[in-house]
Amino acid sequence: ILNVEQSPQSLHVQEGDSTNFTCSFPSSNFYALHWYRWETAKSPEALFVMTLNGDEKKKGRISATLNTKEGYSYLYIKGSQPEDSATYLCARGGGADGLTFGKGTHLIIQP
Amino acid sequence: DTAVSQTPKYLVTQMGNDKSIKCEQNLGHDTMYWYKQDSKKFLKIMFSYNNKELIINETVPNRFSPKSPDKAHLNLHINSLELGDSAVYFCASSQRAGESQYFGPGTRLLVL
Repeated sequence: ILNVEQSPQSLHVQEGDSTNFTCSFPSSNFYALHWYRWETAKSPEALFVMTLNGDEKKKGRISATLNTKEGYSYLYIKGSQPEDSATYLCARGGGADGLTFGKGTHLIIQP
Repeated sequence: DTAVSQTPKYLVTQMGNDKSIKCEQNLGHDTMYWYKQDSKKFLKIMFSYNNKELIINETVPNRFSPKSPDKAHLNLHINSLELGDSAVYFCASSQRAGESQYFGPGTRLLVL
């Protein structure tokens, strides 16, 4: 994998259901993996930064895991709510470099 | 209080003009960045500055030049604007390189 790739590109989820999506990234020279939440007409907002293989982070109903050896991270949302509708970006951090972003997963929660 | 601010929010200009976008952060962060959101909504790093030193410069035309008068400001100057420069430009900052970044509201540039 040369770039940061996210799947699926978009996702429709019923309110109350749980969901998850994937970020794949180059595992060589790994520094950090970031997740951002980006609502329409707003700026990206940081959710998590993970650096160690096996890291798990949690913020309310949202959690993320990291596997640096195989180069993937999962973001989980438990009991989806309409306010969770947003684009979720993952990005690979290169130390002193800026972030290399994926194209995002566009999540729509249907009432 | 706005953590990362950008001005202007919207910029409409003619091809060939020179323009600047200003960015300020009041978080006391050491590192600032400029990103371009392309037509496919993809965020791409343009520059990062750490303590007024340019750290990276991706394959960005030299018509684009970052200018940092102090640690709290990183302005983006663009010479000889082209149609393809039309995009949304985001400024961001982080305490240290590699840490979570705080984004500004974006500047929507339209070159006619």
